[in-house]
Amino acid sequence: DAGVTQTPRHEVAEKGQTIILKCEPVSGHNDLFWYRQTKIQGLELLSYFRSKSLMEDGGAFKDRFKAEMLNSSFSTLKIQPTEPKDSAVYLCASRLGANQDTQYFGPGTRLLVL
Amino acid sequence: TQTVSQSDAHVTVFEGDSVELRCNYSYGGSIYLSWYIQHHGRGLQFLLKYYSGNPVVQGVNGFEAEFSKSDSSFHLRKASVHWSDSAVYFCAASIWPNYNVLYFGSGTKLTVEP
Repeated sequence: DAGVTQTPRHEVAEKGQTIILKCEPVSGHNDLFWYRQTKIQGLELLSYFRSKSLMEDGGAFKDRFKAEMLNSSFSTLKIQPTEPKDSAVYLCASRLGANQDTQYFGPGTRLLVL
Repeated sequence: TQTVSQSDAHVTVFEGDSVELRCNYSYGGSIYLSWYIQHHGRGLQFLLKYYSGNPVVQGVNGFEAEFSKSDSSFHLRKASVHWSDSAVYFCAASIWPNYNVLYFGSGTKLTVEP
Protein backbone atom coordinates (compact mmCIF):
# COMPACT_ATOMS: atom_id res chain seq x y z
CA ASP A 1 0.00 0.00 0.00
CA ALA A 2 1.23 3.47 -0.82
CA GLY A 3 1.81 5.72 2.14
CA VAL A 4 1.42 9.48 2.17
CA THR A 5 3.20 11.04 -0.79
CA GLN A 6 4.37 14.62 -1.01
CA THR A 7 5.75 16.56 -3.94
CA PRO A 8 8.08 18.18 -4.50
CA ARG A 9 10.58 16.91 -1.94
CA HIS A 10 12.59 20.12 -2.18
CA GLU A 11 11.58 23.61 -3.27
CA VAL A 12 13.58 26.81 -3.56
CA ALA A 13 11.64 30.04 -3.98
CA GLU A 14 12.43 33.73 -4.20
CA LYS A 15 10.79 36.01 -1.67
CA GLY A 16 7.35 37.04 -2.91
CA GLN A 17 6.77 33.99 -5.08
CA THR A 18 3.76 31.71 -4.86
CA ILE A 19 4.48 28.07 -4.20
CA ILE A 20 2.14 25.09 -4.10
CA LEU A 21 2.95 21.95 -2.18
CA LYS A 22 1.07 18.74 -2.91
CA CYS A 23 -0.01 15.79 -0.81
CA GLU A 24 -1.73 12.49 -1.50
CA PRO A 25 -3.03 10.79 1.65
CA VAL A 26 -3.19 7.07 2.27
CA SER A 27 -6.01 5.64 0.19
CA GLY A 28 -9.21 5.45 2.21
CA HIS A 29 -8.12 7.86 4.91
CA ASN A 30 -10.67 10.56 5.74
CA ASP A 31 -8.51 12.98 7.71
CA LEU A 32 -5.60 15.02 6.39
CA PHE A 33 -3.21 17.31 8.24
CA TRP A 34 -0.59 19.85 7.21
CA TYR A 35 2.23 20.67 9.63
CA ARG A 36 5.22 22.98 9.52
CA GLN A 37 8.45 21.81 11.13
CA THR A 38 11.28 24.14 12.12
CA LYS A 39 14.14 23.71 14.56
CA ILE A 40 12.94 26.62 16.67
CA GLN A 41 9.16 26.09 16.72
CA GLY A 42 9.09 22.34 16.26
CA LEU A 43 5.94 20.88 14.71
CA GLU A 44 3.03 23.28 14.23
CA LEU A 45 -0.39 22.40 12.87
CA LEU A 46 -1.35 24.40 9.79
CA SER A 47 -4.58 22.75 8.69
CA TYR A 48 -6.81 19.77 9.38
CA PHE A 49 -9.41 18.37 6.98
CA ARG A 50 -12.06 15.79 7.67
CA SER A 51 -13.76 14.34 4.60
CA LYS A 52 -12.50 17.33 2.58
CA SER A 53 -13.96 19.88 5.02
CA LEU A 54 -11.58 22.26 6.76
CA MET A 55 -11.86 21.65 10.51
CA GLU A 56 -8.82 23.52 11.88
CA ASP A 57 -6.89 26.25 10.15
CA GLY A 58 -4.03 27.03 12.55
CA GLY A 59 -4.92 30.66 13.27
CA ALA A 60 -1.42 32.11 13.06
CA PHE A 61 -1.03 30.95 9.48
CA LYS A 62 -4.23 32.28 7.95
CA ASP A 63 -3.01 35.25 6.01
CA ARG A 64 -0.56 33.76 3.50
CA PHE A 65 -1.20 30.05 3.85
CA LYS A 66 -4.11 28.32 2.21
CA ALA A 67 -4.70 24.58 2.26
CA GLU A 68 -7.29 22.98 0.06
CA MET A 69 -8.58 19.47 -0.40
CA LEU A 70 -9.88 19.22 -3.94
CA ASN A 71 -10.87 15.59 -3.61
CA SER A 72 -10.43 12.85 -1.06
CA SER A 73 -7.08 11.82 -2.52
CA PHE A 74 -5.34 15.13 -3.09
CA SER A 75 -4.53 18.25 -1.11
CA THR A 76 -2.50 21.37 -1.76
CA LEU A 77 -0.87 23.94 0.47
CA LYS A 78 -0.36 27.33 -1.15
CA ILE A 79 1.94 29.94 0.33
CA GLN A 80 1.44 33.36 -1.22
CA PRO A 81 3.57 35.42 -1.10
CA THR A 82 6.49 33.52 0.37
CA GLU A 83 8.83 35.07 2.93
CA PRO A 84 12.25 33.85 4.12
CA LYS A 85 10.73 32.93 7.51
CA ASP A 86 8.60 30.34 5.70
CA SER A 87 11.72 28.22 5.16
CA ALA A 88 10.87 24.94 6.86
CA VAL A 89 9.86 21.35 6.24
CA TYR A 90 6.17 20.98 5.46
CA LEU A 91 4.71 17.66 6.48
CA CYS A 92 1.44 16.13 5.40
CA ALA A 93 -0.22 13.37 7.42
CA SER A 94 -3.39 11.36 7.07
CA ARG A 95 -5.41 9.06 9.28
CA LEU A 96 -8.38 6.78 8.91
CA GLY A 97 -10.70 9.03 10.86
CA ALA A 98 -11.34 8.14 14.49
CA ASN A 99 -9.97 10.64 16.95
CA GLN A 100 -7.34 8.40 18.42
CA ASP A 101 -6.19 6.79 15.21
CA THR A 102 -2.56 6.96 14.24
CA GLN A 103 -1.43 9.71 11.90
CA TYR A 104 0.70 8.56 8.96
CA PHE A 105 3.21 11.12 7.77
CA GLY A 106 4.66 11.80 4.36
CA PRO A 107 8.38 12.44 3.81
CA GLY A 108 7.88 16.20 3.80
CA THR A 109 8.76 19.05 1.46
CA ARG A 110 11.81 21.08 2.40
CA LEU A 111 11.19 24.71 1.41
CA LEU A 112 13.91 27.33 1.20
CA VAL A 113 12.85 30.92 0.59
CA LEU A 114 15.68 33.24 -0.44
CA THR B 1 1.30 26.52 28.17
CA GLN B 2 3.38 23.62 26.95
CA THR B 3 1.39 20.42 26.94
CA VAL B 4 4.29 18.10 26.17
CA SER B 5 7.89 18.53 27.21
CA GLN B 6 10.93 16.47 26.38
CA SER B 7 13.70 17.47 28.72
CA ASP B 8 16.59 15.93 26.82
CA ALA B 9 17.45 17.46 23.46
CA HIS B 10 20.22 14.90 22.85
CA VAL B 11 20.90 11.42 24.19
CA THR B 12 23.93 9.35 23.20
CA VAL B 13 24.31 5.67 24.00
CA PHE B 14 26.30 2.71 22.69
CA GLU B 15 24.86 -0.09 20.64
CA GLY B 16 23.40 -2.74 22.94
CA ASP B 17 22.75 -0.28 25.75
CA SER B 18 19.29 0.34 27.14
CA VAL B 19 17.79 3.79 26.72
CA GLU B 20 14.97 5.83 28.19
CA LEU B 21 13.68 8.96 26.49
CA ARG B 22 11.70 11.20 28.74
CA CYS B 23 8.33 12.78 28.08
CA ASN B 24 6.21 14.74 30.54
CA TYR B 25 2.84 16.26 29.96
CA SER B 26 0.84 18.95 31.68
CA TYR B 27 -2.88 18.28 31.55
CA GLY B 28 -5.26 16.96 34.15
CA GLY B 29 -7.98 15.53 31.93
CA SER B 30 -8.26 12.74 29.40
CA ILE B 31 -5.15 12.55 27.29
CA TYR B 32 -3.98 10.44 24.41
CA LEU B 33 -0.19 10.00 24.19
CA SER B 34 2.00 8.68 21.42
CA TRP B 35 5.59 8.47 20.29
CA TYR B 36 6.90 9.03 16.78
CA ILE B 37 10.33 8.55 15.28
CA GLN B 38 11.88 10.68 12.55
CA HIS B 39 14.95 9.50 10.71
CA HIS B 40 17.06 12.16 9.01
CA GLY B 41 15.29 13.59 5.97
CA ARG B 42 12.19 11.49 6.46
CA GLY B 43 8.68 12.00 7.78
CA LEU B 44 7.51 10.89 11.20
CA GLN B 45 6.71 7.24 11.80
CA PHE B 46 4.36 6.03 14.51
CA LEU B 47 5.89 3.93 17.29
CA LEU B 48 3.18 3.41 19.88
CA LYS B 49 0.24 5.00 21.67
CA TYR B 50 -1.62 4.99 24.97
CA TYR B 51 -5.14 6.03 25.79
CA SER B 52 -6.33 3.74 28.55
CA GLY B 53 -5.79 0.31 30.07
CA ASN B 54 -2.41 -1.27 30.70
CA PRO B 55 0.00 1.61 31.35
CA VAL B 56 2.85 -0.22 29.63
CA VAL B 57 2.39 -0.27 25.88
CA GLN B 58 4.47 -2.13 23.37
CA GLY B 59 5.46 -0.66 20.04
CA VAL B 60 7.42 -1.59 16.98
CA ASN B 61 11.07 -2.61 16.97
CA GLY B 62 11.23 -3.45 20.68
CA PHE B 63 10.14 -0.06 21.97
CA GLU B 64 7.80 0.29 24.90
CA ALA B 65 6.48 3.21 26.90
CA GLU B 66 4.95 3.52 30.31
CA PHE B 67 2.22 5.95 31.25
CA SER B 68 2.30 7.35 34.76
CA LYS B 69 -0.49 9.62 35.92
CA SER B 70 1.24 10.40 39.21
CA ASP B 71 4.40 11.54 37.42
CA SER B 72 2.59 12.98 34.37
CA SER B 73 4.98 11.02 32.23
CA PHE B 74 5.10 8.76 29.22
CA HIS B 75 8.73 7.71 28.91
CA LEU B 76 9.93 5.62 25.98
CA ARG B 77 12.30 2.71 26.59
CA LYS B 78 14.25 0.13 24.69
CA ALA B 79 16.27 -2.64 26.31
CA SER B 80 18.99 -2.93 23.67
CA VAL B 81 19.45 -0.27 20.99
CA HIS B 82 20.78 -0.74 17.49
CA TRP B 83 22.62 1.84 15.39
CA SER B 84 19.52 2.11 13.18
CA ASP B 85 17.62 3.51 16.17
CA SER B 86 19.54 6.75 15.76
CA ALA B 87 16.86 9.32 14.98
CA VAL B 88 14.79 12.09 16.53
CA TYR B 89 11.98 10.91 18.77
CA PHE B 90 8.85 12.98 19.33
CA CYS B 91 6.35 12.59 22.10
CA ALA B 92 2.85 13.81 21.21
CA ALA B 93 -0.38 14.35 23.06
CA SER B 94 -3.95 15.11 22.19
CA ILE B 95 -6.38 16.21 24.85
CA TRP B 96 -10.10 16.07 25.40
CA PRO B 97 -12.32 17.35 23.88
CA ASN B 98 -10.29 18.00 20.75
CA TYR B 99 -8.42 14.81 20.07
CA ASN B 100 -7.86 15.92 16.50
CA VAL B 101 -4.95 18.20 17.34
CA LEU B 102 -1.61 16.61 18.21
CA TYR B 103 0.73 18.66 20.43
CA PHE B 104 4.30 17.59 19.83
CA GLY B 105 7.26 17.88 22.16
CA SER B 106 10.47 19.44 20.92
CA GLY B 107 12.05 16.08 20.19
CA THR B 108 15.01 14.11 21.51
CA LYS B 109 17.83 13.25 19.17
CA LEU B 110 19.11 9.77 19.94
CA THR B 111 22.57 8.86 18.73
CA VAL B 112 23.64 5.24 18.96
CA GLU B 113 27.38 4.79 18.69
CA PRO B 114 29.00 1.51 17.64
